[in-house]
Amino acid sequence: GQSLEQPSEVTAVEGAIVQINCTYQTSGFYGLSWYQQHDGGAPTFLSYNALDGLEETGRFSSFLSRSDSYGYLLLQELQMKDSASYFCAVMMNSGGYQKVTFGTGTKLQVIP
Amino acid sequence: DVKVTQSSRYLVKRTGEKVFLECVQDMDHENMFWYRQDPGLGLRLIYFSYDVKMKEKGDIPEGYSVSREKKERFSLILESASTNQTSMYLCASSLPGTGVFEQYFGPGTRLTVT
Repeated sequence: GQSLEQPSEVTAVEGAIVQINCTYQTSGFYGLSWYQQHDGGAPTFLSYNALDGLEETGRFSSFLSRSDSYGYLLLQELQMKDSASYFCAVMMNSGGYQKVTFGTGTKLQVIP
Repeated sequence: DVKVTQSSRYLVKRTGEKVFLECVQDMDHENMFWYRQDPGLGLRLIYFSYDVKMKEKGDIPEGYSVSREKKERFSLILESASTNQTSMYLCASSLPGTGVFEQYFGPGTRLTVT
């Protein structure tokens, strides 16, 4: 089977940097995605890492270490609008199909 | 603009009723998915489809079935609704193959079974 672990809640100050970690156990691993979901909204795709290293998209960066089965999402220059839930999701080969399994989510609260 | 729509935003049904949740995407995506989202449990995959008339069980298929007669439409069916199926249901679509890493979600249907 597969499992993902991420913290349930994180609080950070506006303007600061926050890192949300994700560890996973799965076979047939392809890559790690990150999604953002505001309360009452739909999840929206943020980033994807298939190879080791850091991917940067504006204020958001995502990192993957395949050897450590670990990744993180880094949010810089935090804004109040970044308050949301963040999900990591592993893409894997399962039964001949590419599938995605989501983590349980990290609720980020940005405070003034 | 990419769009996934779901037939209802809120739905209230009685125990034992047959419930249909509809999802339509306008992106010509091959892949479509149904998830349910519950507090503390994240998104859990119910069923997915990678082609018309094709369906595969996800992680929690019990009590559900699906139908994909057209590429743009993927329906989730609760054969006999039960209170433990009260949840937020999210539909998503994606490009084929490794395109599943980037899924586009609909706004969700909050289903209450009484």
